[in-house]
Amino acid sequence: QQPVQSPQAVILREGEDAVINCSSSKALYSVHWYRQKHGEAPIFLMILLKGGEQKGHDKISASFNEKKQQSSLYLTASQLSYSGTYFCGTENSNSGYALNFGKGTSLLVTP
Amino acid sequence: NAGVTQTPKFRVLKTGQSMTLLCAQDMNHEYMYWYRQDPGMGLRLIHYSVGEGTTAKGEVPDGYNVSRLKKQNFLLGLESAAPSQTSVYFCASSYNPPLYEQYFGPGTRLTVT
Repeated sequence: QQPVQSPQAVILREGEDAVINCSSSKALYSVHWYRQKHGEAPIFLMILLKGGEQKGHDKISASFNEKKQQSSLYLTASQLSYSGTYFCGTENSNSGYALNFGKGTSLLVTP
Repeated sequence: NAGVTQTPKFRVLKTGQSMTLLCAQDMNHEYMYWYRQDPGMGLRLIHYSVGEGTTAKGEVPDGYNVSRLKKQNFLLGLESAAPSQTSVYFCASSYNPPLYEQYFGPGTRLTVT
């Protein structure tokens, strides 16, 4: 039930764009995105709900294709502060709606 | 408003020792979770609770026990630590999943020698 993320790692120059993908083998109601910096806790970015709109935060946005059971995270005009590991999480209705997390995508933004 | 706090932040145990990790949240959330994070594995669910007095097993519960005697606290116990339990442990809570996000504590880095 663990979602699959791609790519595993990305290196960008400041100002470039990136897309991180998340796919699931089961039908989804929601996809959650988090960013984690080394040695810190995951920080919430956004939730996408079935039937909901694409949601964005500053230059980070995401989409959710319910039929394909996929979500994509778009980082536009990347900043140094975007560096970190990005995780997508899908709800597990059999476990109190805990999240099944992907293995993460490591993003490094260089000057 | 402290959010989610975890105690301790770091701990080193010897094989066979026991310990308890404390998670506390001040947001009045019903749902609480314990995850472990290992390199390259993402976060995996150990145990969870959907309310005071209720707990259930997650994906990797072996070797752990939990209790939720008070709504704001969720305790994770290791009865006899093993090197395989070396990991970073995160507690999280949520108001109304999956409609709302999970808030994570700062984590506990545990090493078992």
